[in-house]
Amino acid sequence: ETGVTQTPRHLVMGMTNKKSLKCEQHLGHNAMYWYKQSAKKPLELMFVYSLEERVENNSVPSRFSPECPNSSHLFLHLHTLQPEDSALYLCASSQKLGGGEQYFGPGTRLTVT
Amino acid sequence: GENVEQHPSTLSVQEGDSAVIKCTYSDSASNYFPWYKQELGKRPQLIIDIRSNVGEKKDQRIAVTLNKTAKHFSLHITETQPEDSAVYFCAASKDTGFQKLVFGTGTRLLVSP
Repeated sequence: ETGVTQTPRHLVMGMTNKKSLKCEQHLGHNAMYWYKQSAKKPLELMFVYSLEERVENNSVPSRFSPECPNSSHLFLHLHTLQPEDSALYLCASSQKLGGGEQYFGPGTRLTVT
Repeated sequence: GENVEQHPSTLSVQEGDSAVIKCTYSDSASNYFPWYKQELGKRPQLIIDIRSNVGEKKDQRIAVTLNKTAKHFSLHITETQPEDSAVYFCAASKDTGFQKLVFGTGTRLLVSP
C-alpha cells in the first residue's frame, strides 16, 4: 500500500442519488488532488487542495463538490450525476507544493445508471 | 494552457527488446516531467521523472530524455520483461506553487515472452 486509501472501491449510483467518495493519506503530505480517469482519455485534474484550502478547480461541474476538512482527508460529494460521469476517480497526495511526487490511491470505480 | 501529446497509443515488443514512448508539450514554462506506470486494475505509480535543468536521467533499465528546445521528452525501457506490460503516462507541470500535472493519453505496452 502507498499510504493513500480510497473508499468505496466500487460504487453504482442512480442519477438522482447523493453519494460521497473518501480519500485518506497517511504520508504527512500537505496537498491533495482529485483526478478523473475515463477510457481512452488522459487523467483529468479536477481539484487541488493545499493546506485544506482549494487552490485549483478545473471548471468542474457543480454536481461534484469537494471537501477537505484537514490535511489527511479529502471527500468528493456527488449529486445528480450523468452517465458520462462514470469513470475511475483517483485521489493523490504530495509532500510539498511545486515538486513532490504525487502518490495515488487505488481509485473508486463509479458507474452512474 | 499546457497540452501534452503522447505516442504511440499501443506498443507491442518481444521480451528483451527496447521500447520508446514519446511525448510533446506545448508550454515552454513547464519544467517537471514525470512518467507513471499503471498496471491493470492498479493505481498509477511514478517510475522516473526529470526536471528541465537535466537532459537525461537513468534508473537501471529505464531512462528519460528531455529536449527543451523541441519541447519533447521520451521514456526508454531496455531489455523489456513481461512485467513491464502496463499503461505508461507522461505528464508535465510548472512550478506555480502547486503541482498541476497535465497528463498524456497513455501508451499501452505489451511485452510478449
